[in-house]
Amino acid sequence: LAKTTQPISMDSYEGQEVNITCSHNNIATNDYITWYQQFPSQGPRFIIQGYKTKVTNEVASLFIPADRKSSTLSLPRVSLSDTAVYYCLVGEKAAGNKLTFGGGTRVLVKP
Amino acid sequence: DAGVIQSPRHEVTEMGQEVTLRCKPISGHDYLFWYRQTMMRGLELLIYFNNNVPIDDSGMPEDRFSAKMPNASFSTLKIQPSEPRDSAVYFCASSRGQGGNNEQFFGPGTRLTVL
Repeated sequence: LAKTTQPISMDSYEGQEVNITCSHNNIATNDYITWYQQFPSQGPRFIIQGYKTKVTNEVASLFIPADRKSSTLSLPRVSLSDTAVYYCLVGEKAAGNKLTFGGGTRVLVKP
Repeated sequence: DAGVIQSPRHEVTEMGQEVTLRCKPISGHDYLFWYRQTMMRGLELLIYFNNNVPIDDSGMPEDRFSAKMPNASFSTLKIQPSEPRDSAVYFCASSRGQGGNNEQFFGPGTRLTVL
Protein backbone atom coordinates (compact mmCIF):
# COMPACT_ATOMS: atom_id res chain seq x y z
CA LEU A 1 0.00 0.00 0.00
CA ALA A 2 1.50 3.32 -1.06
CA LYS A 3 2.27 5.66 1.77
CA THR A 4 2.31 9.39 2.10
CA THR A 5 5.86 10.19 3.17
CA GLN A 6 7.68 13.28 4.39
CA PRO A 7 11.09 13.97 5.94
CA ILE A 8 11.06 13.43 9.67
CA SER A 9 12.67 16.73 10.58
CA MET A 10 14.53 19.75 9.32
CA ASP A 11 16.25 22.70 10.93
CA SER A 12 16.31 26.25 9.71
CA TYR A 13 17.17 29.77 10.86
CA GLU A 14 15.02 32.82 11.22
CA GLY A 15 14.46 34.63 7.95
CA GLN A 16 15.22 31.62 5.78
CA GLU A 17 12.85 29.83 3.44
CA VAL A 18 11.80 26.31 4.41
CA ASN A 19 10.68 23.80 1.80
CA ILE A 20 9.05 20.52 2.83
CA THR A 21 8.28 17.88 0.23
CA CYS A 22 5.62 15.22 0.64
CA SER A 23 5.56 12.15 -1.56
CA HIS A 24 2.10 10.79 -2.40
CA ASN A 25 2.52 8.75 -5.55
CA ASN A 26 -0.86 7.07 -5.21
CA ILE A 27 -2.99 10.13 -4.69
CA ALA A 28 -6.68 9.86 -5.50
CA THR A 29 -7.51 11.44 -8.86
CA ASN A 30 -9.94 14.07 -7.66
CA ASP A 31 -8.49 14.85 -4.27
CA TYR A 32 -6.67 17.96 -3.20
CA ILE A 33 -3.42 18.14 -1.26
CA THR A 34 -3.72 19.85 2.08
CA TRP A 35 -1.06 20.91 4.56
CA TYR A 36 -1.56 21.36 8.27
CA GLN A 37 0.57 22.81 11.06
CA GLN A 38 0.54 21.42 14.59
CA PHE A 39 1.92 22.93 17.77
CA PRO A 40 2.41 20.86 20.93
CA SER A 41 -0.82 20.07 22.78
CA GLN A 42 -2.97 21.49 19.99
CA GLY A 43 -4.91 20.09 17.09
CA PRO A 44 -3.60 20.49 13.54
CA ARG A 45 -4.37 23.78 11.84
CA PHE A 46 -4.96 24.30 8.12
CA ILE A 47 -2.21 26.10 6.22
CA ILE A 48 -2.85 25.71 2.52
CA GLN A 49 -4.53 23.49 -0.05
CA GLY A 50 -4.13 22.91 -3.76
CA TYR A 51 -4.92 20.58 -6.64
CA LYS A 52 -2.20 21.37 -9.17
CA THR A 53 0.49 23.88 -10.15
CA LYS A 54 0.98 26.59 -7.53
CA VAL A 55 -1.09 28.07 -4.77
CA THR A 56 -0.05 30.97 -2.57
CA ASN A 57 -1.66 32.55 0.45
CA GLU A 58 -0.50 34.94 3.13
CA VAL A 59 1.53 32.33 5.01
CA ALA A 60 2.80 29.78 2.49
CA SER A 61 3.06 28.53 -1.06
CA LEU A 62 2.28 25.08 -2.35
CA PHE A 63 3.95 23.67 -5.44
CA ILE A 64 2.42 20.64 -7.16
CA PRO A 65 4.02 19.12 -10.28
CA ALA A 66 1.89 17.95 -13.17
CA ASP A 67 1.95 14.29 -12.12
CA ARG A 68 0.76 15.26 -8.60
CA LYS A 69 2.86 12.52 -7.04
CA SER A 70 4.49 14.97 -4.69
CA SER A 71 3.98 18.43 -3.34
CA THR A 72 6.22 21.02 -1.70
CA LEU A 73 5.17 23.36 1.04
CA SER A 74 7.22 26.54 1.08
CA LEU A 75 7.38 28.76 4.14
CA PRO A 76 9.02 32.08 3.29
CA ARG A 77 11.16 33.89 5.85
CA VAL A 78 10.38 31.68 8.83
CA SER A 79 10.34 32.97 12.39
CA LEU A 80 10.74 31.19 15.70
CA SER A 81 6.96 30.83 15.95
CA ASP A 82 6.96 28.64 12.84
CA THR A 83 8.60 25.86 14.87
CA ALA A 84 6.00 23.11 14.63
CA VAL A 85 5.17 19.82 12.95
CA TYR A 86 3.86 20.05 9.40
CA TYR A 87 1.65 17.39 7.86
CA CYS A 88 0.44 16.76 4.34
CA LEU A 89 -2.96 15.15 3.85
CA VAL A 90 -4.18 13.42 0.71
CA GLY A 91 -6.76 10.86 -0.32
CA GLU A 92 -4.99 7.62 -1.18
CA LYS A 93 -6.44 5.85 -4.21
CA ALA A 94 -5.28 2.40 -3.17
CA ALA A 95 -7.05 2.85 0.14
CA GLY A 96 -10.37 3.72 -1.43
CA ASN A 97 -9.54 7.41 -1.41
CA LYS A 98 -9.15 7.30 2.34
CA LEU A 99 -7.69 10.45 3.83
CA THR A 100 -4.11 9.73 4.87
CA PHE A 101 -1.76 12.01 6.75
CA GLY A 102 1.95 11.92 6.15
CA GLY A 103 4.14 11.15 9.14
CA GLY A 104 4.81 14.82 9.76
CA THR A 105 7.93 16.95 9.46
CA ARG A 106 9.25 18.54 12.60
CA VAL A 107 10.62 21.98 11.71
CA LEU A 108 12.89 23.70 14.19
CA VAL A 109 13.60 27.36 13.55
CA LYS A 110 16.71 28.62 15.30
CA PRO A 111 17.55 32.23 16.10
CA ASP B 1 -17.82 30.47 16.84
CA ALA B 2 -16.09 28.53 19.61
CA GLY B 3 -14.57 26.07 17.21
CA VAL B 4 -14.68 22.31 17.63
CA ILE B 5 -15.22 21.40 21.26
CA GLN B 6 -13.99 18.16 22.76
CA SER B 7 -14.44 16.73 26.22
CA PRO B 8 -12.85 15.66 28.38
CA ARG B 9 -9.44 17.15 27.62
CA HIS B 10 -7.71 14.48 29.64
CA GLU B 11 -8.90 11.04 30.66
CA VAL B 12 -7.10 8.51 32.80
CA THR B 13 -8.72 5.14 33.23
CA GLU B 14 -7.90 1.57 34.04
CA MET B 15 -7.77 -1.28 31.60
CA GLY B 16 -11.17 -2.80 31.02
CA GLN B 17 -13.14 0.35 31.73
CA GLU B 18 -15.44 2.03 29.23
CA VAL B 19 -14.30 5.36 27.85
CA THR B 20 -16.50 7.89 26.08
CA LEU B 21 -15.07 10.85 24.22
CA ARG B 22 -17.31 13.69 23.13
CA CYS B 23 -17.24 16.19 20.30
CA LYS B 24 -19.29 19.20 19.26
CA PRO B 25 -18.52 20.23 15.68
CA ILE B 26 -18.70 23.73 14.28
CA SER B 27 -22.27 24.71 13.50
CA GLY B 28 -23.08 24.29 9.82
CA HIS B 29 -20.35 21.77 9.12
CA ASP B 30 -21.67 18.60 7.51
CA TYR B 31 -18.60 16.37 7.93
CA LEU B 32 -17.17 15.13 11.21
CA PHE B 33 -13.96 13.15 11.64
CA TRP B 34 -12.38 11.22 14.48
CA TYR B 35 -8.58 10.82 14.45
CA ARG B 36 -6.11 9.13 16.75
CA GLN B 37 -2.54 10.37 17.18
CA THR B 38 0.33 8.35 18.61
CA MET B 39 4.08 8.60 18.32
CA MET B 40 4.28 5.24 16.61
CA ARG B 41 1.46 5.56 14.10
CA GLY B 42 1.06 9.33 13.68
CA LEU B 43 -2.35 10.74 12.79
CA GLU B 44 -4.85 8.08 11.78
CA LEU B 45 -8.39 8.60 10.54
CA LEU B 46 -10.70 6.34 12.51
CA ILE B 47 -14.13 7.19 11.12
CA TYR B 48 -15.99 10.03 9.50
CA PHE B 49 -19.61 11.09 9.19
CA ASN B 50 -21.50 13.06 6.58
CA ASN B 51 -24.77 14.57 7.69
CA ASN B 52 -24.67 12.38 10.82
CA VAL B 53 -24.28 9.16 8.81
CA PRO B 54 -21.09 7.10 9.17
CA ILE B 55 -19.42 6.93 5.76
CA ASP B 56 -16.11 5.17 6.35
CA ASP B 57 -15.21 3.33 9.53
CA SER B 58 -12.38 1.29 8.03
CA GLY B 59 -9.92 2.98 10.36
CA MET B 60 -11.63 1.81 13.52
CA PRO B 61 -9.09 -0.58 14.97
CA GLU B 62 -11.36 -3.14 16.58
CA ASP B 63 -14.91 -3.87 17.61
CA ARG B 64 -14.05 -2.34 20.94
CA PHE B 65 -14.30 1.03 19.22
CA SER B 66 -17.64 2.54 18.25
CA ALA B 67 -18.76 6.00 17.20
CA LYS B 68 -22.13 7.66 16.95
CA MET B 69 -23.50 10.96 15.76
CA PRO B 70 -27.09 11.25 16.99
CA ASN B 71 -27.47 14.80 15.66
CA ALA B 72 -25.57 17.48 13.79
CA SER B 73 -24.09 18.99 16.94
CA PHE B 74 -22.80 15.99 18.85
CA SER B 75 -20.70 12.89 18.36
CA THR B 76 -19.18 10.28 20.65
CA LEU B 77 -16.31 7.84 20.33
CA LYS B 78 -16.56 4.94 22.75
CA ILE B 79 -13.96 2.36 23.68
CA GLN B 80 -15.20 -0.68 25.56
CA PRO B 81 -13.26 -2.32 27.09
CA SER B 82 -10.25 -0.04 27.02
CA GLU B 83 -6.67 -1.36 26.81
CA PRO B 84 -3.29 0.28 27.48
CA ARG B 85 -2.52 0.33 23.75
CA ASP B 86 -5.50 2.66 23.26
CA SER B 87 -3.54 5.41 25.02
CA ALA B 88 -3.29 8.27 22.54
CA VAL B 89 -4.59 11.73 21.73
CA TYR B 90 -7.97 11.58 20.03
CA PHE B 91 -8.95 14.49 17.80
CA CYS B 92 -12.31 15.41 16.42
CA ALA B 93 -12.49 17.62 13.33
CA SER B 94 -15.27 19.05 11.23
CA SER B 95 -15.52 20.56 7.78
CA ARG B 96 -17.98 22.14 5.43
CA GLY B 97 -17.79 19.76 2.51
CA GLN B 98 -15.71 16.65 1.96
CA GLY B 99 -12.65 16.65 4.18
CA GLY B 100 -10.06 15.96 1.53
CA ASN B 101 -11.04 19.00 -0.49
CA ASN B 102 -12.00 21.38 2.25
CA GLU B 103 -10.39 22.77 5.37
CA GLN B 104 -10.82 20.62 8.43
CA PHE B 105 -11.09 22.37 11.79
CA PHE B 106 -9.63 20.33 14.61
CA GLY B 107 -10.57 20.34 18.25
CA PRO B 108 -7.95 20.52 21.02
CA GLY B 109 -7.98 16.76 21.46
CA THR B 110 -8.56 14.35 24.32
CA ARG B 111 -5.46 12.80 25.83
CA LEU B 112 -6.40 9.28 26.90
CA THR B 113 -4.25 7.23 29.24
CA VAL B 114 -5.25 3.65 29.94
CA LEU B 115 -3.36 2.12 32.84
